[in-house]
Amino acid sequence: GENVEQHPSTLSVQEGDSAVIKCTYSDSASNYFPWYKQELGKRPQLIIDIRSNVGEKKDQRIAVTLNKTAKHFSLHITETQPEDSAVYFCAASLTSGTSYGKLTFGQGTILTVHP
Amino acid sequence: SAVISQKPSRDICQRGTSLTIQCQVDSQVTMMFWYRQQPGQSLTLIATANQGSEATYESGFVIDKFPISRPNLTFSTLTVSNMSPEDSSIYLCSVEFWESSYNEQFFGPGTRLTVL
Repeated sequence: GENVEQHPSTLSVQEGDSAVIKCTYSDSASNYFPWYKQELGKRPQLIIDIRSNVGEKKDQRIAVTLNKTAKHFSLHITETQPEDSAVYFCAASLTSGTSYGKLTFGQGTILTVHP
Repeated sequence: SAVISQKPSRDICQRGTSLTIQCQVDSQVTMMFWYRQQPGQSLTLIATANQGSEATYESGFVIDKFPISRPNLTFSTLTVSNMSPEDSSIYLCSVEFWESSYNEQFFGPGTRLTVL
């Protein structure tokens, strides 16, 4: 089955700096890669996603890049703010077949943005 | 926007008992899933809740321990049976909405279970 590795496990940055979180996946058939933000005591929230037919996607201060050949994808947050502090999870899944929709998550990254 | 709710939000249970968790959505969904998040850990898929048929379980999870029902397009239950302290976790349902063509999954608020 799919295996997703996420790095780093913790990331500390100063407000205004950029933050980058990286994930690798094992199953070359995976074609959907969402990122979730989970604040303490809250549910995971979908913040951005990317499909395998796209190399990069951007939404304001957040961007995600995908390298299918190398089987890795990354989350980029620019101009970080204290409210970006949370745990971020990457995930991978298939959009067809018997494994449709089954998300395999990375281990999570605790992002702390210092004012 | 659509609302996903779970009941109960939290519970403290005794070893050997069972707890049924409900997941209710206010609009039709195509897919419903159940995940477990152990304290300080990532999310692990338990099973896919199939409407009108048996759930599809992931490796390491069995129907006798985690029976699941999904009687219609907007509701599912997960039962944690014969609980032990190792079952203490947050249990979350996730859904893919009928009108979504982009495979996005959204999570319920979770049920925090503590087993003594």
